[in-house]
Amino acid sequence: DAGVIQSPRHEVTEMGQEVTLRCKPISGHDYLFWYRQTMMRGLELLIYFNNNVPIDDSGMPEDRFSAKMPNASFSTLKIQPSEPRDSAVYFCASSLIGEGRETQYFGPGTRLLVL
Amino acid sequence: DQQVKQNSPSLSVQEGRISILNCDYTNSMFDYFLWYKKYPAEGPTFLISISSIKDKNEDGRFTVFLNKSAKHLSLHIVPSQPGDSAVYFCAASEGNTPLVFGKGTRLSVIA
Repeated sequence: DAGVIQSPRHEVTEMGQEVTLRCKPISGHDYLFWYRQTMMRGLELLIYFNNNVPIDDSGMPEDRFSAKMPNASFSTLKIQPSEPRDSAVYFCASSLIGEGRETQYFGPGTRLLVL
Repeated sequence: DQQVKQNSPSLSVQEGRISILNCDYTNSMFDYFLWYKKYPAEGPTFLISISSIKDKNEDGRFTVFLNKSAKHLSLHIVPSQPGDSAVYFCAASEGNTPLVFGKGTRLSVIA
């Protein structure tokens, strides 16, 4: 398996623009997570899905952030409008509860810079 | 309020010596603990885990110790190798709730 795939790997945009981050989880995994990593706050969970259904989005910082999972093999995280403080590395991770307790597999991340 | 704390942002160790990374937690309901390792430009990868019913788990050069009364866990790497240089994240969960991660400790193993 190719692992969790994220695109783009890098994104540079201007304040006010819409940003869409994409994730393809490992085939067969039933949980998908979106994280944001910053120096100040470390790895923060933004939202997670189980069988394509959003379970907890309490980590989403503002209404400017939204996430969807239209099917088991694809998810998006959208920021509209983007702001400089959104600059961070965004990770997608997936897991399969049947493997036992939570071992999440992370993608390589998308490094976002908002100017 | 951080439920999982890694109070040392960085650690330097000489090759061949022991590396000890520490993690404290505040939620006594956490029952599963993990360590992840992260290289630059890559996502974190699972390293080792421990259930709250154990106090030690060993996998090759890596050993995780859990002290429930102190709400403290540690990762020992012995002997340390230059390839171990990375950021190490401690994580914990309660039941089937998602993992809660610490901020990470950057380990540098000096040859």
